[in-house]
Amino acid sequence: DAKTTQPNSMESNEEEPVHLPCNHSTISGTDYIHWYRQLPSQGPEYVIHGLTSNVNNRMASLAIAEDRKSSTLILHRATLRDAAVYYCILRAPGSARQLTFGSGTQLTVLP
Amino acid sequence: EPEVTQTPSHQVTQMGQEVILRCVPISNHLYFYWYRQILGQKVEFLVSFYNNEISEKSEIFDDQFSVERPDGSNFTLKIRSTKLEDSAMYFCASSGYRGTYNEQFFGPGTRLTVL
Repeated sequence: DAKTTQPNSMESNEEEPVHLPCNHSTISGTDYIHWYRQLPSQGPEYVIHGLTSNVNNRMASLAIAEDRKSSTLILHRATLRDAAVYYCILRAPGSARQLTFGSGTQLTVLP
Repeated sequence: EPEVTQTPSHQVTQMGQEVILRCVPISNHLYFYWYRQILGQKVEFLVSFYNNEISEKSEIFDDQFSVERPDGSNFTLKIRSTKLEDSAMYFCASSGYRGTYNEQFFGPGTRLTVL
């Protein structure tokens, strides 16, 4: 599986936007970019996914670089509840295979 | 909103004892998974299950582990003879269809403590 690289930790102020980066320079042409997060003492939770175009849903936006070697998860207005570990994961299409979690980015939201 | 449930939330056992962790995946989902997370470490894949058989397993999932879907709703993970290093959070997950995204839904986890 292609590898992803994320910063170990980031901080944000409450009510401000957060941009969480992910590098995946060895991504294959068909890999989807998925983001999951893990709130404290909970199981991981799906956030968003995309292939080439930017994507929006109720939780977040995903901006994908034109060469697809990097992506950014955008939380438009961080709340204290968004404090979590965020994981960027690549997945082959049509894949019911395992998710391979890295260390992710620990997001701290300051009141 | 449908969710994955797991019981018990916390299980304490003595080394060498058998434990069974239970999960009720989202109904109509077809793929089932177990992951574990040792305190302070990454979430690790254990096994995936589809069509009543194991479809993938990791190196962690040795002969001490087994999975079963006994009645069409429950999905269980059995550890035959627990070791101290099996102490971890165990997460069950399920997903629906063989599609391009195939989002996995995770349960709240079972904390297993082996003494």
